[in-house]
Formats: sequence, C-alpha cells, structure tokens
Amino acid sequence: EIVLTQSPATLSLSPGERATLSCRASQSVVSKLAWYQQKPGQAPRLVIYDASNRANGIPARFSGSGSGTDFTLTISSLEPEDFAVYFCQQRFNWPLTFGGGTKVEIE
Amino acid sequence: EVQLLESGGGLVQPGGSLRLSCAASGFRFSSYAMGWVRQAPGKGLEWLSGVSAAGVNIYYADSVKGRFTISRDDSKNTLYLQMNSLRAEDTAAYYCAKTGGSSSSWWFDYWGQGTPVTVSS
Repeated sequence: EIVLTQSPATLSLSPGERATLSCRASQSVVSKLAWYQQKPGQAPRLVIYDASNRANGIPARFSGSGSGTDFTLTISSLEPEDFAVYFCQQRFNWPLTFGGGTKVEIE
Repeated sequence: EVQLLESGGGLVQPGGSLRLSCAASGFRFSSYAMGWVRQAPGKGLEWLSGVSAAGVNIYYADSVKGRFTISRDDSKNTLYLQMNSLRAEDTAAYYCAKTGGSSSSWWFDYWGQGTPVTVSS
C-alpha cells in the first residue's frame, strides 16, 4: 500500500498570503496524484488531478506540481473561501490511498 | 448538473448489515467508474471500493474485503454498497463518488453529500 504523508498538519496563514502544501508518497506514483478541498460539513471537492491539472471551476490561484514521490499544492493568494482541509490521493496503485490532510486555517 | 444522492445509512448493531444506495443523475452513469469513500468522525478520507464502467473490474480496500460488496445497476443509474458484519470502526459518513473516466481515471470529480452509518449496540 502506498502511504501518502502530508505536511504540515496545520498551516496558519492570513488572507492574501501564499500557501504551500506538501504530499510525499512512500513510492513513486508518477504523476497520478490528486488534491481535494474539504470544508466542515461538506463533501470533498476535487481541486487538482494528475498532479497539475485544475479541475473544472477551480480558480487559477490553485496550482499543483511534482512527480514521483514529492508533490505540492500551491494557493498563490489565499481567499477567505480557501480556508479548509486539503487531502491528496494517489491512483497509481491499488488500494487507492489518501493522505492525512493539511488544515489551512486563518492566522 | 451532476448529482449523487446517497441513502440507506443509519444506526445498526455490531454484526448487522446495511445496504447503501447512490442515485446518480446529470451524466451518462454507465460510462463512468464509481467508488465509495468513507470518513470517520473527525478523521481523514478512506477509499473503500470501486467499480469500473459496466462492472468489469471491482476493487476493495483490505479493511472491507469479504464484508462489503459494491455493485451497480446501470438501468437504474444507481450504485450500491452492501455492508455485512459491521463493526464499531465502520462508523463513518459514507460518500459515493464519480470518477473522471471509465476505468483508469481513478480520481473523484463529483461526490454525494454523504450518508451517516453508526455501528453501536
């Protein structure tokens, strides 16, 4: 099973700041990594798929990068609606696995 | 508009069974792989099971293999999850999710609102 480790667990930032979230895989997943955003009481929402492709309706301030074992989700300038928990997920191998999440909170 | 509506959750005793349903609309259901993901209270996401378009391939997480069965009825645009031998650790919100393709795009671009399952005596 591929283990995804997300860091940091919590990121405390202010609106307008840049957020950089990390996801590290225990083995290469090539570029088969997705990112999701989840707000309290809501279902997850796909943000990025295959490492760097924005999902439908996702603003350009969200970008994904990386390949192999190290991936990054960057939010260039945080908007109030971006404060949420973010999960990564790999689809390279079965079982599909998710990272433990990074909470982006208002400082 | 893509919509996924789960139902069938509730309170069940340990060792009991539940059948979750997910009614899909707004897309060609038969052309897409589908999956189930759960989230225990205050915890992260756990993928449980997936079925490819036309039910050709089925996959399970080890935590539910042998206890849960995924199925789909393309004539009814509905995904199912039969859950047997339920345990306290199965308590979670259960999400139905649509994938990005028929059999290989195993990321989830649409999610239902989730149905809660509580396993307790």
